Amino acid sequence: QQQVKQSPQSLIVQKGGIPIINCAYENTAFDYFPWYQQFPGKGPALLIAIRPDVSEKKEGRFTISFNKSAKQFSLHIMDSQPGDSATYFCAASISGTYKYIFGTGTRLKVLA
Amino acid sequence: DARVTQTPRHKVTEMGQEVTMRCQPILGHNTVFWYRQTMMQGLELLAYFRNRAPLDDSGMPKDRFSAEMPDATLATLKIQPSEPRDSAVYFCASGVAGSTDTQYFGPGTRLTVL
Repeated sequence: QQQVKQSPQSLIVQKGGIPIINCAYENTAFDYFPWYQQFPGKGPALLIAIRPDVSEKKEGRFTISFNKSAKQFSLHIMDSQPGDSATYFCAASISGTYKYIFGTGTRLKVLA
Repeated sequence: DARVTQTPRHKVTEMGQEVTMRCQPILGHNTVFWYRQTMMQGLELLAYFRNRAPLDDSGMPKDRFSAEMPDATLATLKIQPSEPRDSAVYFCASGVAGSTDTQYFGPGTRLTVL
């Protein structure tokens, strides 16, 4: 029940395409869902996060869609660029515990 | 700008040797996390501290791993004795509990145990 399932494992898109990464969870107590971006040789960095009181959140070219009833959330990258090539991790947490359960990661490659 | 620092960045050691990794959290952050990242297991939480007290170390192999916070500016993760299966990238992260729930990650220590 503590798992966060992430798919796909890897993704290749053309520049300008819209890659979509999906995550699913079981524990209905989770109420904070961040996405982290990791470049090779670096630590993960927060990209965008959502709480279940909204169904969508946008920050620049990055959008999280959240479906509370399905217990799923996804990351969309609009007008993707080669510089977006990185590994993306979703996570889930219960506010106040500060303890993240991470997905297994999606390696994204955006072709020029 | 404020960031989490980790030392060393790379460590190669022989099986059976002691390894100590250090982390300096962002000044003012009261929660510190240790993660291990491998291709097979992804990001695993090993332990975390709040106000220097250990809150959860259930992800850590107790017989060989230990984590401490001697003071608010230093967290350590020790492996003794090290084994080849410990080869991984170890990340420290810090944050402010009760604030935004954001964790700020350091650059990691890449450990290779031969």
